[in-house]
Amino acid sequence: DVKVTQSSRYLVKRTGEKVFLECVQDMDHENMFWYRQDPGLGLRLIYFSYDVKMKEKGDIPEGYSVSREKKERFSLILESASTNQTSMYLCASSRASGRAWQFFGPGTRLTVL
Amino acid sequence: AQSVTQPDIHITVSEGASLELRCNYSYGATPYLFWYVQSPGQGLQLLLKYFSGDTLVQGIKGFEAEFKRSQSSFNLRKPSVHWSDAAEYFCAVAFMEYGNKLVFGAGTILRVKS
Repeated sequence: DVKVTQSSRYLVKRTGEKVFLECVQDMDHENMFWYRQDPGLGLRLIYFSYDVKMKEKGDIPEGYSVSREKKERFSLILESASTNQTSMYLCASSRASGRAWQFFGPGTRLTVL
Repeated sequence: AQSVTQPDIHITVSEGASLELRCNYSYGATPYLFWYVQSPGQGLQLLLKYFSGDTLVQGIKGFEAEFKRSQSSFNLRKPSVHWSDAAEYFCAVAFMEYGNKLVFGAGTILRVKS
């Protein structure tokens, strides 16, 4: 069964801490994505990567960075967490071809105090 | 900018009743269209997708959706709702001109009453 896994389901951090969210996919997908989900706003794209060491900004990249050192792993980094980054974070992956769809992980609910 | 609109934030239907969730997108070119479902505390699961061809597409769990180009719509339907269908539903659109990135609607929360 194909899978996208995320390192934590729930995470509580303090303001100013550096936070790492990890995502791993086992489908050999080229593309990987990080979204933020907030009530009434749907999913908003933070960053995506179409190849190892490649990344592109999404719609709301401010306050975040990413790392993709291996094809199967895509990390989201909050350099200095703030309370307005409290949210649900979803990772997804897909093939590179045009007619592809995204597979999602279970999400990480991050609370920043 | 590309946008996807789901006009209903909440919908409540009785078990066994029919369901239609609305989705409209704002772009002229033919996009790729998706519906995802999210159960509480879970990630998103793909219900169905449209790339081209027959504008009525069948998905999992008895859902179907119809692409209407003239209305820029991709509404999701189910003839008879089950209590287990209670979840949040997201319409998403990929615009090829923008690297096939997905743009999501705000979601519709479905409640099923017995």
